Amino acid sequence: DTAVSQTPKYLVTQMGNDKSIKCEQNLGHDTMYWYKQDSKKFLKIMFSYNNKELIINETVPNRFSPKSPDKAHLNLHINSLELGDSAVYFCASSLPNQPQHFGDGTRLSIL
Amino acid sequence: KQEVTQIPAALSVPEGENLVLNCSFTDSAIYNLQWFRQDPGKGLTSLLLIQSSQREQTSGRLNASLDKSSGRSTLYIAASQPGDSATYLCAVTDLGGSQGNLIFGKGTKLSVKP
Repeated sequence: DTAVSQTPKYLVTQMGNDKSIKCEQNLGHDTMYWYKQDSKKFLKIMFSYNNKELIINETVPNRFSPKSPDKAHLNLHINSLELGDSAVYFCASSLPNQPQHFGDGTRLSIL
Repeated sequence: KQEVTQIPAALSVPEGENLVLNCSFTDSAIYNLQWFRQDPGKGLTSLLLIQSSQREQTSGRLNASLDKSSGRSTLYIAASQPGDSATYLCAVTDLGGSQGNLIFGKGTKLSVKP
C-alpha cells in the first residue's frame, strides 16, 4: 500500500564500507529523486532520474552512484563510506510539475 | 544561485491560534513553490503546491499565498491544533534548472500546545 518505500530504514556501518539503499514507488511516476538531509536538517537534492535517465547530478562525490533498473526503482549505491556521509537519505517521486511524494528516509550512521 | 529562507526557525503557540509561516526566495524565476510538512523520523508530506501563475492555494485549514515578484510566500494555518506540530518546509523549483530540482528552506519547527 505504501507509495514510496525505502529499505533499510536504518543503516549502521563502518567507514570505508560500500552500501546500497533501495527505493521503490508504486505511483506510476516518471521521475524519482534522492535527497540528503544533514545533521542540521537541511535537505538538498542529490540525483533525479526521469524514465531511467539521469537529469540532475548536483555536486555529489562520485562515490555515490544511482542505479535505476526500471521506472519504479531508483537505488543509491555508496562506495568507501566516510564520516561525513552520515545523514538521512530520502527517496521521492513525482509526475512533471506535480508534488513530490517522499519515502520515510534511511538513517545512515558511519562509525 | 537560488536561496530559500524561512522565518521564524521555531514557533510555539497555544491551541486554537491562527498563525503565519514565512518563506522568501532570492530568484523570482520559479516553476512553482511547495509547502511540506515533516514529522520526526518521517519523510515529507506535500501540503500545497502553487504554480508560478497562481496567487494562492487552499486546503482545509491551510492557505498558502505566493507573491513571485517580491519573492515571498506565506503559509496560514487557521485554528491550530496539537496535531499540527511538525516542521514545515518551503521549497521552490527554479526555471533555470530541471523541473524537479526542489530547493528547500531550513524549515520552521512548529509546536502547538494543548
